[in-house]
Amino acid sequence: AQTVTQSQPEMSVQEAETVTLSCTYDTSESDYYLFWYKQPPSRQMILVIRQEAYKQQNATENRFSVNFQKAAKSFSLKISDSQLGDAAMYFCASKWNSGNTPLVFGKGTRLSVIA
Amino acid sequence: DGGITQSPKYLFRKEGQNVTLSCEQNLNHDAMYWYRQDPGQGLRLIYYSQIVNDFQKGDIAEGYSVSREKKESFPLTVTSAQKNPTAFYLCASSPWTGFAEAFFGQGTRLTVV
Repeated sequence: AQTVTQSQPEMSVQEAETVTLSCTYDTSESDYYLFWYKQPPSRQMILVIRQEAYKQQNATENRFSVNFQKAAKSFSLKISDSQLGDAAMYFCASKWNSGNTPLVFGKGTRLSVIA
Repeated sequence: DGGITQSPKYLFRKEGQNVTLSCEQNLNHDAMYWYRQDPGQGLRLIYYSQIVNDFQKGDIAEGYSVSREKKESFPLTVTSAQKNPTAFYLCASSPWTGFAEAFFGQGTRLTVV
């Protein structure tokens, strides 16, 4: 079975600073995807970034980037130039390349941004 | 606009009553999913369906039932057998390409009193 672990229940960052959210996962599959979702106070789940396991290059989306360490099964999210609107719950998730299998989520990290 | 619609946004029910949460998508996605969200627990999978007339249990299926009679619809029934039904419920869908991300509805907050 796949598992996803987020070891930081809460994090905080000063506005304009950089923060890194941690995520580790466990899978026996060689083909999989990894995702970071953001859930703001509205509770709408928003995809932030995704990473294909077969790609060595780390994914980047504007101020959001990942550090994907396949051997260590680690997938951290870095948010640069943090903004007040980044305050939210962040969930790490994984998905097997095995048909249309569901996403497996971590328990989330609540990020606060301090003005 | 394409998307996933969950209704209602808030739902109140008396203990012992069954209640059905609606989930409709017009994205032409094959797969649909139901997740339950509790504080500190992340999202836990209740049921999922990869094609019409077929569905599989997730990690916490006890006390829940689903149907998938149409591609667009995947309603979730919370039965009286569910011991702690008060929670936030999220419906999601994804296309049949293996690596595609899931798209989520806005959720239903169910409170059982």
